[in-house]
Amino acid sequence: QVNLRESGPALVKPSQTLTLTCTFSGFSLTTTGMSMIWIRQPPGKALEWLARIDWDDDKFYSTSLKTRLTISKDTSKNQVVLTMTNMDPVDTATYYCARISNVLTGNYWFDPWGQGILVTVSS
Amino acid sequence: QSALTQPASVSGSPGQSITISCTGTSSDIGDYHLVSWYQRHPGKAPKLVIYEGTKRPSGVSDRFSGSKSGTTASLTISGLQAEDEAHYFCCSYAGTVNFVLFGGGTKLTVL
Repeated sequence: QVNLRESGPALVKPSQTLTLTCTFSGFSLTTTGMSMIWIRQPPGKALEWLARIDWDDDKFYSTSLKTRLTISKDTSKNQVVLTMTNMDPVDTATYYCARISNVLTGNYWFDPWGQGILVTVSS
Repeated sequence: QSALTQPASVSGSPGQSITISCTGTSSDIGDYHLVSWYQRHPGKAPKLVIYEGTKRPSGVSDRFSGSKSGTTASLTISGLQAEDEAHYFCCSYAGTVNFVLFGGGTKLTVL
């Protein structure tokens, strides 16, 4: 059974760095084609993808946020970590991690997702 | 790029059918057969219900179906049940630079 769970702080102050961890089970990020993605949804707004990391350690970032994002993986711990620098109140959102089963065949859909973690940016 | 456009809310009575639209552009929905749809109940993880525009994952009811016409994709739920009440959002591949775009989400109310 595949499961994903996000963890991290619920509250961060403006200008701080956010670090979120996605811990998963039921599959390996060393499997050829496997990929993980971070997505967020600010209150009342559409979801937006943030960063993606593939089995071969290729990394991709949202154009609008790439200067602030870093994604990494620890395959021994089955974890993917996202850091976002210089947090602002507009970054208040629910942050999700999700799996892409095979980017090599263009499986650009996300299944499963984690439950999400609400991060509030406020002083 | 802007998000895909969905209606904020739709409603229907048990047993009826509803359709949720998702409008994009020729650079996303219109150019790729890679629209996916997700169901999200409050406090739960989003669940994939349609991928590649029309395909259902194993375990998803055949009451859920997807279609596409031009730059608009649609999710139809037939034989509405109380358990279908949830938020639904669409997603489309948008090329190697933008990767994916999402809709704003639609709240389905089962009356």
